Amino acid sequence: GQQVMQIPQYQHVQEGEDFTTYCNSSTTLSNIQWYKQRPGGHPVFLIQLVKSGEVKKQKRLTFQFGEAKKNSSLHITATQTTDVGTYFCAGRNYGQNFVFGPGTRLSVLP
Amino acid sequence: DAGVTQSPTHLIKTRGQQVTLRCSPKSGHDTVSWYQQALGQGPQFIFQYYEEEERQRGNFPDRFSGHQFPNYSSELNVNALLLGDSALYLCASSLRGTSGGPSGQFFGPGTRLTVL
Repeated sequence: GQQVMQIPQYQHVQEGEDFTTYCNSSTTLSNIQWYKQRPGGHPVFLIQLVKSGEVKKQKRLTFQFGEAKKNSSLHITATQTTDVGTYFCAGRNYGQNFVFGPGTRLSVLP
Repeated sequence: DAGVTQSPTHLIKTRGQQVTLRCSPKSGHDTVSWYQQALGQGPQFIFQYYEEEERQRGNFPDRFSGHQFPNYSSELNVNALLLGDSALYLCASSLRGTSGGPSGQFFGPGTRLTVL
């Protein structure tokens, strides 16, 4: 079945540094979603990407969908302590349910 | 505008028991998906309900069953509990039988189930 992987598993950065997490699917995706889960919280939807090569920005966050629609990335510029949490990608193969990756846990040192 | 609500917040059961978890979707949403999230892992899809029917199902045994009511709320039932069923159970709501809309899925706070 479809598998979604994320790297790195953990990332520790100094406040102000940049952060990137990568998501890779074993199959071509129809769309991909990104979520953020704070410690002790629940996943909160960030964005959905649908088109090959799509790039979307939300303030300091930049999301990309690969040309082959099998990978995606989330880049945070100048991290802040409020960025702490686990970032999940969730990919869907046409008509199927979303499959979540294992997440990248970000910690930001002040 | 109420978000997704789930009850109970925490639950402790013993092996072999049965449990029922409840979810009310975000106002205006008609589709409910259930996920199991083990500690340190990503959510795993259990099933999705739309128009009171199970529309999609993940790789979970028949011990996991559900129901959706006319008011769109939903229940997740787990029979013959195993130690491995200990996890955070998340409910997510969305619109019109899909989780793939531009607004994504709205998750509830979850029910933490511990099986002893």
